[in-house]
Amino acid sequence: EVQLVESGGGLVKPGRSLRLSCTASGFTFGDYAMSWFRQAPGKGLEWVGFIRSKAYGGTTEYAASVKGRFTISRDDSESVAYLQMSSLNTDDAAVYYCTRTHYYDSNGEVYFQHWGQGTLVTVSS
Amino acid sequence: QSVLTQPPSVSGAPGQRVTISCTGSSSNIGAGYDVHWYQQLPGTAPKLLIYGNSYRPSGVPDRFSGSKSGTSASLAISGLQAEDEADYYCQSYDSSLIVVFGGGTKLTVL
Repeated sequence: EVQLVESGGGLVKPGRSLRLSCTASGFTFGDYAMSWFRQAPGKGLEWVGFIRSKAYGGTTEYAASVKGRFTISRDDSESVAYLQMSSLNTDDAAVYYCTRTHYYDSNGEVYFQHWGQGTLVTVSS
Repeated sequence: QSVLTQPPSVSGAPGQRVTISCTGSSSNIGAGYDVHWYQQLPGTAPKLLIYGNSYRPSGVPDRFSGSKSGTSASLAISGLQAEDEADYYCQSYDSSLIVVFGGGTKLTVL
């Protein structure tokens, strides 16, 4: 059974950094792209970014709203994906989800097969 | 403002059929990219409902179906049940934005 468990959320002051982790099990982690999403209270889903598998270079893509501030990385030996967030502001407060991602090798399209339960990030002074 | 446009809400009585539309543009759905749908039950994480325009993952009832035409896609739910009450999101790929979503549609079962 595919399981994704996010951790690392909490209360952080504006301007500070935070790193989230997504620990995966039930599948060969290194074979899949991994993505991060967020959802502010009462709002819709917002894609944050994804990291391709090493077979596709392990490269990353980001939403414009977080590019330059957020960094996604992965440790295939530990089956963990990370989201490093810096210069946080109140607009970054949300539940953050990680997902196992299906990557179309034909053209780079993606969709999101399995989701974790999310971890809450609160940004407040 | 979401790149893909969905109605904010739809409703239907138990047993009825409802559809949720998802309208994009020539840089995403109209460019031939696939549309995928997600269901988010209250207080839970989203779940993949339809992928590749019309395919259902294992475990998703065949009451749920998806279609795509031109710059739009639709999710249809037949034989509506109380447990279908949820938020539904469409998603596609965009040549410049990469991943795009609809704003979500709240389904109310009357």
